[in-house]
Amino acid sequence: AQSVTQLGSHVSVSEGALVLLRCNYSSSVPPYLFWYVQYPNQGLQLLLKYTSAATLVKGINGFEAEFKKSETSFHLTKPSAHMSDAAEYFCAVSSDTGRRALTFGSGTRLQVQP
Amino acid sequence: ETGVTQSPTHLIKTRGQQVTLRCSSQSGHNTVSWYQQALGQGPQFIFQYYREEENGRGNFPPRFSGLQFPNYSSELNVNALELDDSALYLCASSLGGGTGSYEQYFGPGTRLTVT
Repeated sequence: AQSVTQLGSHVSVSEGALVLLRCNYSSSVPPYLFWYVQYPNQGLQLLLKYTSAATLVKGINGFEAEFKKSETSFHLTKPSAHMSDAAEYFCAVSSDTGRRALTFGSGTRLQVQP
Repeated sequence: ETGVTQSPTHLIKTRGQQVTLRCSSQSGHNTVSWYQQALGQGPQFIFQYYREEENGRGNFPPRFSGLQFPNYSSELNVNALELDDSALYLCASSLGGGTGSYEQYFGPGTRLTVT
């Protein structure tokens, strides 16, 4: 069984400040990890993915995440927040099976203050 | 390249009724997954279709059923609607198979309200 825990349902940062959204996973098999962003009344957009290649993954819009097996973590960061980053962020895990269904965390709402 | 599309955008149904939601997958993708996202929660996996066959199912009752067509578009059917079925229903397409990508591309969703 797999699960994802996102610490902090709401995170607020100032524009230009560091963004850090936390994600810890549990998986009995090597995981494949994803971060998705959801803007109001929209579907999910893939930000980045980890699929057992480089542990530091760079995504779109200046986001990156580091896979740390020893900590079972896959935290999302961005050096400088922009107002347009305000959205809901979801961490998800999948396994190397034929189905590859995604198991999502409960999400973190990011607010960016001017 | 056409992305994932879903119809309708919004839907209001009465408890006990049946509903069909539709999804067109991204060009070149042969796998469709459906997710339910209740308000304030993360999406939950309902089931997946690969080449017109169900390829896995989450913890949802049999009144949630689906189809995938030869063009890889898909339908989600829900019978005997309950109030708790009110949610955003998301469709995601991907390229399945042994060398398929893990990436799932999501549509904008259908907002279902059950009264």
